[in-house]
Amino acid sequence: EVQLLESGGGLVQPGGSLRLSCVASGFTFSSYSMTWVRQTPGTGLEWVSTISGSGGTTFYADSVKGRLTISRDNSKNTVYLQFYSLRAEDTALYYCAKDRVGPIGGHDFDYWGQGTLVTVSS
Amino acid sequence: EIVMTQSPATLSVSPGERATLSCRASQSVGSDLAWYQQKPGQAPRLLISGASTRATGFPARFSGSGSGTEFTLTISSLQSEDFALYYCQQYMDWPLTFGGGTRVEIK
Repeated sequence: EVQLLESGGGLVQPGGSLRLSCVASGFTFSSYSMTWVRQTPGTGLEWVSTISGSGGTTFYADSVKGRLTISRDNSKNTVYLQFYSLRAEDTALYYCAKDRVGPIGGHDFDYWGQGTLVTVSS
Repeated sequence: EIVMTQSPATLSVSPGERATLSCRASQSVGSDLAWYQQKPGQAPRLLISGASTRATGFPARFSGSGSGTEFTLTISSLQSEDFALYYCQQYMDWPLTFGGGTRVEIK
């Protein structure tokens, strides 16, 4: 059974840093790209970042580019999202999601975690 | 960026009736279109890929159609468990983009 478990969310001040983690199980982790998607009540679902199965290729939404880094450790079946300079508009529920197709990325997502909440406020 | 527009925002339907949800892309996405179902307090769940291929676990009353810029999700006879939020997503090009969602509610 595929499982994705996110952690690391919390209350952070504007300008602060935070690292989200997503531990995967039930599939060959390195064979699939992984993605972070966020959700807010006002803006629905927003793609944030994707990393290829090898970790060698990354993609970022313009809204976060330069402010965060996606990475993965295939030995730990874990994907990370490191924020460097959080803004109020980053407040959202962050989901990690598994690519349906394979390691390259740029597809839809057949499994999602339950999400971790990030709140940016002073 | 490919903008995805869903309509209507809210659809009120009686159980047993047919529901038709629309998703429009600002430029052609071919068949690189997915639909997701999301219930309160839960993560989105992949419902349709490739515009028309139903994901495992969803019954045949769900169907997807369309290509290019116009797509439709049809629920042929709504059951109580189908009342939820539905999102479309294009994966033709980066950035990957989602529609704003359609809420299917009980009439």
